[in-house]
Amino acid sequence: DTAVSQTPKYLVTQMGNDKSIKCEQNLGHDTMYWYKQDSKKFLKIMFSYNNKELIINETVPNRFSPKSPDKAHLNLHINSLELGDSAVYFCASSPSGSADTQYFGPGTRLTVL
Amino acid sequence: SQKIEQNSEALNIQEGKTATLTCNYTNYSPAYLQWYRQDPGRGPVFLLLIRENEKEKRKERLKVTFDTTLKQSLFHITASQPADSATYLCALDGGGSTLGRLYFGRGTQLTVWP
Repeated sequence: DTAVSQTPKYLVTQMGNDKSIKCEQNLGHDTMYWYKQDSKKFLKIMFSYNNKELIINETVPNRFSPKSPDKAHLNLHINSLELGDSAVYFCASSPSGSADTQYFGPGTRLTVL
Repeated sequence: SQKIEQNSEALNIQEGKTATLTCNYTNYSPAYLQWYRQDPGRGPVFLLLIRENEKEKRKERLKVTFDTTLKQSLFHITASQPADSATYLCALDGGGSTLGRLYFGRGTQLTVWP
């Protein structure tokens, strides 16, 4: 049983396109996150949702819009993709969001051509 | 500016030795610090969490220390094995109003050779 799953695992697209990445967790956690890991392996938080409510937006361009239809799902939509968006995007979840272990998904490798 | 620095991007040690990884931070006041392991092509996996009022934590062959005066955490793997080869990430929360946000270092790639 996969705890945190993401789809797709790989995404290759052209500049200017719009794409979405989906994330689901079956751990019953209240908080979910999106992270971006660049080519130098630097892992940086983008967003956090607690029980469907946005609680962290870490100076991410407006082209990135997270959506949480319920507390088990957090999707990431990216408009007008740019070359610099190429990275691995990780979804994570934690029980409550403060001083908690975070459980990461397998990642989605996005390549913008 | 705020920084999290993990010493050396790569660390190579012989099997059976103790690996010691360092995490130094600047301009953060974390309430806790975590260590994660990341294997190629996979997401980070939690290993240990240590709080600001704790000096040391152990789990099997792993030990982490946290010195808030030095602003440093040390992560030790004793009796290292080739299976311990991975990238190890230090992460801390921002403290205060940013509690719950994890900020990661760039990681140290550990290779344990037989």
